[in-house]
Amino acid sequence: NAGVTQTPKFRILKIGQSMTLQCTQDMNHNYMYWYRQDPGMGLKLIYYSVGAGITDKGEVPNGYNVSRSTTEDFPLRLELAAPSQTSVYFCASSPNNRGKEAGYTFGSGTRLTVV
Amino acid sequence: DAKTTQPNSMESNEEEPVHLPCNHSTISGTDYIHWYRQLPSQGPEYVIHGLTSNVNNRMASLAIAEDRKSSTLILHRATLRDAAVYYCIRSGNTGKLIFGQGTTLQVKP
Repeated sequence: NAGVTQTPKFRILKIGQSMTLQCTQDMNHNYMYWYRQDPGMGLKLIYYSVGAGITDKGEVPNGYNVSRSTTEDFPLRLELAAPSQTSVYFCASSPNNRGKEAGYTFGSGTRLTVV
Repeated sequence: DAKTTQPNSMESNEEEPVHLPCNHSTISGTDYIHWYRQLPSQGPEYVIHGLTSNVNNRMASLAIAEDRKSSTLILHRATLRDAAVYYCIRSGNTGKLIFGQGTTLQVKP
């Protein structure tokens, strides 16, 4: 069972560079999410998607973009990387909203450092 | 999406039960209560969730107050591997999980 797969696991970016964090799930979940976690803090929601072609902002969307062309994939794009975007990024998926069924499944994270 | 209130940290002895409290006084009737835990250097892991009734699974039990303004996660016999940050979260109508700071659980041998 692959679950939620994130790549890469680690990345160092220079200020101003761009990159895409990949997230794929094989559970046919409609809902997908991107969170970031700064050291010693809880997770903050960046963007989420309720299905292919539909995305919406979370708590901290500035500096990021997302797309959802398929059910399986939910990439997160960083344009013009800044040191404030140094964080661990987690992708998650769930079968529906309101948590009526099983909860979220999280990936193992991407540790990003911007220097 | 109002957050929940949890103690910053708790300690437990190995093999003893642990009761992790959570206050969610502004919860609405359709909000589920979720618990996740995060071990060091890992992504959050689903533990349990419920709406009104108490819930049990292989990992833990969830006791929900009758007025639903608080809940308690119960680990029946803590092990060293249960040392983690435990998050209590309300899921609103949108289904988004908004994480707070969580409770850091230390388990002493």
